[in-house]
Amino acid sequence: ETGVTQSPTHLIKTRGQQVTLRCSSQSGHNTVSWYQQALGQGPQFIFQYYREEENGRGNFPPRFSGLQFPNYSSELNVNALELDDSALYLCTSSQTVGGYQETQYFGPGTRLLVL
Amino acid sequence: TQLLEQSPQFLSIQEGENLTVYCNSSSVFSSLQWYRQEPGEGPVLLVTVVTGGEVKKLKRLTFQFGDARKDSSLHITAAQPGDTGLYLCAGGGVLTGGGNKLTFGTGTQLKVEL
Repeated sequence: ETGVTQSPTHLIKTRGQQVTLRCSSQSGHNTVSWYQQALGQGPQFIFQYYREEENGRGNFPPRFSGLQFPNYSSELNVNALELDDSALYLCTSSQTVGGYQETQYFGPGTRLLVL
Repeated sequence: TQLLEQSPQFLSIQEGENLTVYCNSSSVFSSLQWYRQEPGEGPVLLVTVVTGGEVKKLKRLTFQFGDARKDSSLHITAAQPGDTGLYLCAGGGVLTGGGNKLTFGTGTQLKVEL
């Protein structure tokens, strides 16, 4: 139990729709990262938010966007869904102090299926 | 682009056997982490290694970081059914904004049978 929660646990959408996934970070943590894990593969970094600002981004198109709120919870939005977006979406929670990011703790993930 | 290759991709063994999983890259990483992931759950951190040549032991698990910090191995002694899962290595990298991102390997699916 990492104290990181994600919602919903499962979601089914159709191609072209939009989806919003949510992540509640561990109490006191100010940094959230999002990862996409396709079936049978390792997670791939999407982006990171620190104190409500995007702190870095992986190789994902602009239709993947995010937001971090003042309580440090976060949202991942995906527009114009494609079949290949079907995956487990994971968020991590960590504390960054003085430019040093401590251990990242993973949430249980949201399983997205695009039909 | 930093890539991490894991081998083997799949491993099915009997309880009590020993095994080694390898994680290799052509890139140098500031740190390397090993995770275990079970179906329907997020990865759980097992260990972080940061110094070239470092060896860490966690009960029956032994982790080693290569001298050049490009490769790592995970050795499990006397495997048990509870060790079943997806083992992932991940290299730490610095983001332009100052945070860290993890670059994950391809994963090794381990099944330990009675």
